[in-house]
Amino acid sequence: DAGVIQSPRHEVTEMGQEVTLRCKPISGHDYLFWYRQTMMRGLELLIYFNNNVPIDDSGMPEDRFSAKMPNASFSTLKIQPSEPRDSAVYFCASRGGVGTEAFFGQGTRLTVV
Amino acid sequence: EDQVTQSPEALRLQEGESSSLNCSYTVSGLRGLFWYRQDPGKGPEFLFTLYSAGEEKEKERLKATLTKKESFLHITAPKPEDSATYLCAVQTYNFNKFYFGSGTKLNVKP
Repeated sequence: DAGVIQSPRHEVTEMGQEVTLRCKPISGHDYLFWYRQTMMRGLELLIYFNNNVPIDDSGMPEDRFSAKMPNASFSTLKIQPSEPRDSAVYFCASRGGVGTEAFFGQGTRLTVV
Repeated sequence: EDQVTQSPEALRLQEGESSSLNCSYTVSGLRGLFWYRQDPGKGPEFLFTLYSAGEEKEKERLKATLTKKESFLHITAPKPEDSATYLCAVQTYNFNKFYFGSGTKLNVKP
């Protein structure tokens, strides 16, 4: 398996634009997590899915953020409209079951100017 | 409130100088504690999982231990290639969340 695949690796966008980040989890994994990493706040859990269903989105900072998982092999994190303070590295991770380790993608570095 | 705290924030060692990193946690119900390594520009890479107090895991120069309140990552005779940020995460029974600590940035000088 190629691991967790995220795209794009880098995204530069202007304030107010819509940004969509994509994630393909490891095949067979039924948990998917979206994290945001900044120097100030470290790794923050934004939302996670189990069997494509959002279980906890309490970490989503604002209504400008939304996430979907239409099927077991694809998830998106959307920011609309984007703001400079959204600049961060966004990671997607997947896990095969409760109590097992999560595997991370390489991340998307988002810069909002 | 569930909390994970890592110390120190940064650690500089000479090659061969052994040391330990700490991860203390306060959670309502611990399902597992995980250690990850993160290199610049990359995603966290899984190292160990510990499930119960007294458990130990080893991999090359790294050894992880767990008590009821904290975990230690012991690094024996480190090499420059061990330089990275080491993250610990706890998984709770409540909603199966993964909480990460802020990490320890390790720099091993030759």
